Amino acid sequence: QVHLQESGPGLVKPSGTLSLTCGVSGDSMSSGNWWSWVRQSPEKGLEWIGEINESGTTNYNPSLKSRVTISADKSKNQFSLKVTFVTAADTAMYFCARMRPTGLGLDYWGQGILVTVSS
Amino acid sequence: IQMTQSPSSLSASVGDRVTITCRASQDIDNYLAWFQQKPGKAPRPLIYAASILQSGVPSKFSGSGSGTEFSLTISSLQPEDFATYYCQQYNDYPYSFGQGTKLEIK
Repeated sequence: QVHLQESGPGLVKPSGTLSLTCGVSGDSMSSGNWWSWVRQSPEKGLEWIGEINESGTTNYNPSLKSRVTISADKSKNQFSLKVTFVTAADTAMYFCARMRPTGLGLDYWGQGILVTVSS
Repeated sequence: IQMTQSPSSLSASVGDRVTITCRASQDIDNYLAWFQQKPGKAPRPLIYAASILQSGVPSKFSGSGSGTEFSLTISSLQPEDFATYYCQQYNDYPYSFGQGTKLEIK
């Protein structure tokens, strides 16, 4: 069974950097899937942030692209999200998820982690 | 790509059959997924490729559509089905979600 688990600070100061990690079990990050980040807030709803594959190729949402970096550590079977220069608008529940190739969609999600941007 | 769901909220009774629609602002072929979300939980994948059930999802859920018009139908509603439902397109970047349809007990 595939399991994803987000971890990281739940509170980040304005203008700081949000850093989260998603640990993957039950699948390998070298399996050909894409590994995604999605966030959810009452104001914006569900928002796709970006993804990375086993080759390190990334795709980002243009609305966040200048501030977002997704990276992977295959040796630890985990991938990470960094969002720089955060504001209150970045306060959200952050989810990591697995995206199957060939049209199969986002099929496994982590439980999510609430990140609040506040001084 | 803008995804628009209707209705935004829906009241129904146990045993009812309901349909939620999702419209894409441009052709997305069949790259459409549906999710169920309950408060405090992650979205649960229900359907991918517009009409294919994810593993373990009961057949009371069904999806249809292609291009720009899609629908999710839930038959014989049970108490555990009352939740918020989202559509998502993954045909083109950036992937995008509908605003959600909250299904409430009448």
